[in-house]
Amino acid sequence: AQTVTQSQPEMSVQEAETVTLSCTYDTSESDYYLFWYKQPPSRQMILVIRQEAYKQQNATENRFSVNFQKAAKSFSLKISDSQLGDAAMYFCAYRRGGSNYKLTFGKGTLLTVNP
Amino acid sequence: KAGVTQTPRYLIKTRGQQVTLSCSPISGHRSVSWYQQTPGQGLQFLFEYFSETQRNKGNFPGRFSGRQFSNSRSEMNVSTLELGDSALYLCASSPQNLPNEKLFFGSGTQLSVL
Repeated sequence: AQTVTQSQPEMSVQEAETVTLSCTYDTSESDYYLFWYKQPPSRQMILVIRQEAYKQQNATENRFSVNFQKAAKSFSLKISDSQLGDAAMYFCAYRRGGSNYKLTFGKGTLLTVNP
Repeated sequence: KAGVTQTPRYLIKTRGQQVTLSCSPISGHRSVSWYQQTPGQGLQFLFEYFSETQRNKGNFPGRFSGRQFSNSRSEMNVSTLELGDSALYLCASSPQNLPNEKLFFGSGTQLSVL
């Protein structure tokens, strides 16, 4: 069974600084997808960034980027120029390719942004 | 375009009762997934529906069931409620739930079982 581990239950960062959230996963599959979702106090999960395992290039979305290390099964999220609105719970998620239809989530990292 | 709508937002039930939660996906989305979120277990997949058919089910007892209607709206039902069923239930929709598709989540239904 696939597992996703986020080893940092909580992180904090100063506004305008950079922070990296860690995620490791375990799978024997070669076709899979990785995601970072954000859950603010409103409880609505929002996709931050996604990575296809077959792509070597790391995904970027504005201030958000990932460091995807396939051999190490590591998928960290870097947030640059942190803003107060980035404060939220961040979940790393894995999805197997093909007809599987479910996301496997890590336990989450609570990010605090200090002004 | 309206987002994913879940009703009700909050629900309080007692042990042994049953409950039905509703999810209206984004217009045009045919896939609806349900997740249970608790502080202890985190986010766990319940089931996924596409065009009124359940395509995948998570490891939950038979007390948890769901269905999807022809307009893609979905309901999930929990019978004989237990204290451990207290959780935030999240619904997500997407056009087809392809592997790299973005899931759009609702704000959830917070269920408290007393």
